[in-house]
Amino acid sequence: KQEVTQIPAALSVPEGENLVLNCSFTDSAIYNLQWFRQDPGKGLTSLLLIQSSQREQTSGRLNASLDKSSGRSTLYIAASQPGDSATYLCAVRPMFSGGYNKLIFGAGTRLAVHP
Amino acid sequence: KAGVTQTPRYLIKTRGQQVTLSCSPISGHRSVSWYQQTPGQGLQFLFEYFSETQRNKGNFPGRFSGRQFSNSRSEMNVSTLELGDSALYLCASSSQTNEQYFGPGTRLTVT
Repeated sequence: KQEVTQIPAALSVPEGENLVLNCSFTDSAIYNLQWFRQDPGKGLTSLLLIQSSQREQTSGRLNASLDKSSGRSTLYIAASQPGDSATYLCAVRPMFSGGYNKLIFGAGTRLAVHP
Repeated sequence: KAGVTQTPRYLIKTRGQQVTLSCSPISGHRSVSWYQQTPGQGLQFLFEYFSETQRNKGNFPGRFSGRQFSNSRSEMNVSTLELGDSALYLCASSSQTNEQYFGPGTRLTVT
């Protein structure tokens, strides 16, 4: 059974710091891994999608890496800003889902960036 | 391109009633998935529809059902509501690269 764990559960940092959020999954048989951001009471915003054949993806100040063999992904946020405050969720699309669009989510990392 | 839309945004129902939620995917997306989000269980997969067929289902009781129409719009229905059904219900549509895009959600409160 695929399980996704995110560490730390919560993080509070001053503005300007570089951050690393961690995601681990128990079964390396995945099609892809996706990072999302969720603001309180809102839906999810897709940040980065990494296909299983890729090692990393970048978008602006965000960089996500994937090490399938060790079951790990990291989301790197450069020069954090107060507007980055949100919950960050990691999700995998497992191969046991038969190729269909089922995501298994971690519990998220709640990030607070203070001025 | 318009994003995923969900209606209504908020609902209050009483135990025993039923409810129908609606989701319109991004234009051109044929796959629609539904998730339930609660503080205790986090985000859990309910089911997925593709070309009007349910092709994947999570571990939820039969009170939870859904359907998809020929224009890819989807509805989910929850019958005989229980207090534990109070949650944020999220719908997502998938692109051809299987990137999932989520709507704003429907906040259901059961009293």
